[in-house]
Amino acid sequence: NAGVMQNPRHLVRRRGQEARLRCSPMKGHSHVYWYRQLPEEGLKFMVYLQKENIIDESGMPKERFSAEFPKEGPSILRIQQVVRGDSAAYFCASSHAGDQPQHFGDGTRLSIL
Amino acid sequence: ELKVEQNPLFLSMQEGKNYTIYCNYSTTSDRLYWYRQDPGKSLESLFVLLSNGAVKQEGRLMASLDTKARLSTLHITAAVHDLSATYFCAVHDRGSTLGRLYFGRGTQLTVWP
Repeated sequence: NAGVMQNPRHLVRRRGQEARLRCSPMKGHSHVYWYRQLPEEGLKFMVYLQKENIIDESGMPKERFSAEFPKEGPSILRIQQVVRGDSAAYFCASSHAGDQPQHFGDGTRLSIL
Repeated sequence: ELKVEQNPLFLSMQEGKNYTIYCNYSTTSDRLYWYRQDPGKSLESLFVLLSNGAVKQEGRLMASLDTKARLSTLHITAAVHDLSATYFCAVHDRGSTLGRLYFGRGTQLTVWP
């Protein structure tokens, strides 16, 4: 009974490169959420997706960041032209419905050199 | 935007002692969650509180919700070392999309012998 799977666990990129973070939700879950966590901070909401739809992206930076959750395959959080300030832990969560408890993956720790 | 404040942010306590962590939020909410996070790990769901006066207990932890005061507490009874972790409260703003949660900064708890 696999939980939320994120990969990679650690990702190192140089400034200007692209970062792709993947998230496979729990079986039976069609709602996916992405959060960012800076050191010693709480999680900040980024985006909420359902299959093939973006429900709420109000927490996403306007430039360089995008997210998708295709009909087949994992959800992808994409960061183009990364900068040092993008270094953080990125967590994905999934739920059965929007008002149900969210289950979190282990996160991707992104480091920018 | 909903603000969630936790205090204290750092808590060091001796085994066997009791203590309470507080979570205040700034606007109307219909759901409040408590999560635990161990260093470098994901978030583990502890409690979901849905209504005014709700109280839930699991082992040495007890959570309560006062929606009129916009306050939730997480009470620790007779602390043990295994409870050392960071505890987050997360709140759903009734006025925002279903899945969007707002997190506090977390309370880093250290229990020493």
